[in-house]
Amino acid sequence: KAGVTQTPRYLIKTRGQQVTLSCSPISGHRSVSWYQQTPGQGLQFLFEYFSETQRNKGNFPGRFSGRQFSNSRSEMNVSTLELGDSALYLCASSPDPNIHNEQFFGPGTRLTVL
Amino acid sequence: GENVEQHPSTLSVQEGDSAVIKCTYSDSASNYFPWYKQELGKRPQLIIDIRSNVGEKKDQRIAVTLNKTAKHFSLHITETQPEDSAVYFCAASKTNAGKSTFGDGTTLTVKP
Repeated sequence: KAGVTQTPRYLIKTRGQQVTLSCSPISGHRSVSWYQQTPGQGLQFLFEYFSETQRNKGNFPGRFSGRQFSNSRSEMNVSTLELGDSALYLCASSPDPNIHNEQFFGPGTRLTVL
Repeated sequence: GENVEQHPSTLSVQEGDSAVIKCTYSDSASNYFPWYKQELGKRPQLIIDIRSNVGEKKDQRIAVTLNKTAKHFSLHITETQPEDSAVYFCAASKTNAGKSTFGDGTTLTVKP
């Protein structure tokens, strides 16, 4: 099976802009979680989608949002970008978190905000 | 919410020595504890995991132990090799949660 894919791999934006990141899970996986990784803060949970519904949300401002489509692909959006949003954004897919907790990570999108 | 603490933040060992990384968690309902290895510029890769109904699990040179009473779990790497050099993350999660709470990571350096 193909692994988790994320597009784009790199993005450069300026403050105030918005950005949309995409994640395609492993075929058959229904859960997609998003994490922000920064050198100082480690891996911070953003949100998790399962069957097109947001089931869990981390402690991020409303500028961070997401959605999941019927084919389990997910997007996350960050509006009004701030310098502190520069980070590696990772998505992870899971077959069915009701049964298994294993998460498989994508390569990430490196976002730089200038 | 869940809180995971990981120690040490950096660890340097000689090739062939053992390395131990420890994590503690706060939520007694957590029942799944994975360990990830992240090499520079790459995605985190699951290397081993353990569920709360098991006290120890081993896979070749890697082992994980879990003490539910004390709420801590540890990663043990024996006969370390230079290619083991990476950042290691522990995590804790619950069935149905769809999220993992990660430790801050341990940078392991194996000197040849």
